[in-house]
Amino acid sequence: GENVEQHPSTLSVQEGDSAVIKCTYSDSASNYFPWYKQELGKRPQLIIDIRSNVGEKKDQRIAVTLNKTAKHFSLHITETQPEDSAVYFCAASSANQAGTALIFGKGTTLSVSS
Amino acid sequence: DAGVIQSPRHEVTEMGQEVTLRCKPISGHDYLFWYRQTMMRGLELLIYFNNNVPIDDSGMPEDRFSAKMPNASFSTLKIQPSEPRDSAVYFCASSTGARSYEQYFGPGTRLTVT
Repeated sequence: GENVEQHPSTLSVQEGDSAVIKCTYSDSASNYFPWYKQELGKRPQLIIDIRSNVGEKKDQRIAVTLNKTAKHFSLHITETQPEDSAVYFCAASSANQAGTALIFGKGTTLSVSS
Repeated sequence: DAGVIQSPRHEVTEMGQEVTLRCKPISGHDYLFWYRQTMMRGLELLIYFNNNVPIDDSGMPEDRFSAKMPNASFSTLKIQPSEPRDSAVYFCASSTGARSYEQYFGPGTRLTVT
């Protein structure tokens, strides 16, 4: 089955710096890669996702890149702000239809200091 | 829409007791997922349903765990007998196959087994 590795496990940056979180996956059939943000004591919430027919996607300060050949994808946050501090999870799905199972990475705790 | 609803939000029980966690998915969603989150193991998929039918329960850790979905608006996750190592936050999530891959998480149930 699918296995998702995520690095680093913790990341500390200064406000205004960029942050990059990387994930690798094992199943070449995976075709959907979302990123979830979980604030302390809250539920995970989707912040951005990418499908395998796209190499990059941006949404304001957040971008995700996908390298299907190398089977890795990354989350990039620019101009970080203290409110970006949270745990970020990547995930992969080998579904051919929406709504099927996601396999999550172990998470990255991002701390943004002002 | 009220979102995914879970109850109870917190549960403290003694080892050996039966625990039942409840979930109401978003109306119209046809997929329902149960996850367990711990510091050591991260966010693990336990089981998921499509149209009330269990699709994959390979993540259920032991026979002590069981899940049901008697109708489209209700699911339970039962642990019997409970053990201290079951202490975790249990999330329910739902999604629709019609429009989006996004999974919407409930607020979670924090289970403590003493």
